[in-house]
Amino acid sequence: DAGVTQSPTHLIKTRGQQVTLRCSPKSGHDTVSWYQQALGQGPQFIFQYYEEEERQRGNFPDRFSGHQFPNYSSELNVNALLLGDSALYLCASSPLQGVGELFFGEGSRLTVL
Amino acid sequence: SQKIEQNSEALNIQEGKTATLTCNYTNYSPAYLQWYRQDPGRGPVFLLLIRENEKEKRKERLKVTFDTTLKQSLFHITASQPADSATYLCALHSNSGYALNFGKGTSLLVTP
Repeated sequence: DAGVTQSPTHLIKTRGQQVTLRCSPKSGHDTVSWYQQALGQGPQFIFQYYEEEERQRGNFPDRFSGHQFPNYSSELNVNALLLGDSALYLCASSPLQGVGELFFGEGSRLTVL
Repeated sequence: SQKIEQNSEALNIQEGKTATLTCNYTNYSPAYLQWYRQDPGRGPVFLLLIRENEKEKRKERLKVTFDTTLKQSLFHITASQPADSATYLCALHSNSGYALNFGKGTSLLVTP
């Protein structure tokens, strides 16, 4: 049973560019949450998707957007990249509409130059 | 505003000793609290969940306590091993119920 998978694992972009990160949840899970983790910090909640809708959003600008597909996979898009967007982006899924423990992927490491 | 605070300094202990990590929170009304382990460059891994009506929960060498009056959880690792070295994260659901918010984490180093 595959766990949460994320792609790409590493990527380098320049300021002003756009990036799309992808996530496949664990089999049987219907809820996907995205987190940003800067070096030395805890994961910061970006948003959560359930039934293809953004259900809750954290304190992130509109440059951060997402999508959930009918097969529950999800994408995170970041536009107009800033140096401060450099971080580990984590996807997490859960089987209980987002309540309870989360299962995390290994993350996508984004570096903005 | 809602806050989750964990020991900001790294915790260094000797193998075989008990490690105790602290998580304090403000402006949360949690039905339960979670602990995760994170190794460098990897995603967090769930360890334990404790409910508000549970004072203590154990799993192998791990023990978690949850005091909703003090607004504090303690995470203990007994008979610690070098393989326990990692960052440990405390997490609570936001009052809206969906977002799981994390503390900054405490780095634990167990030396032989």
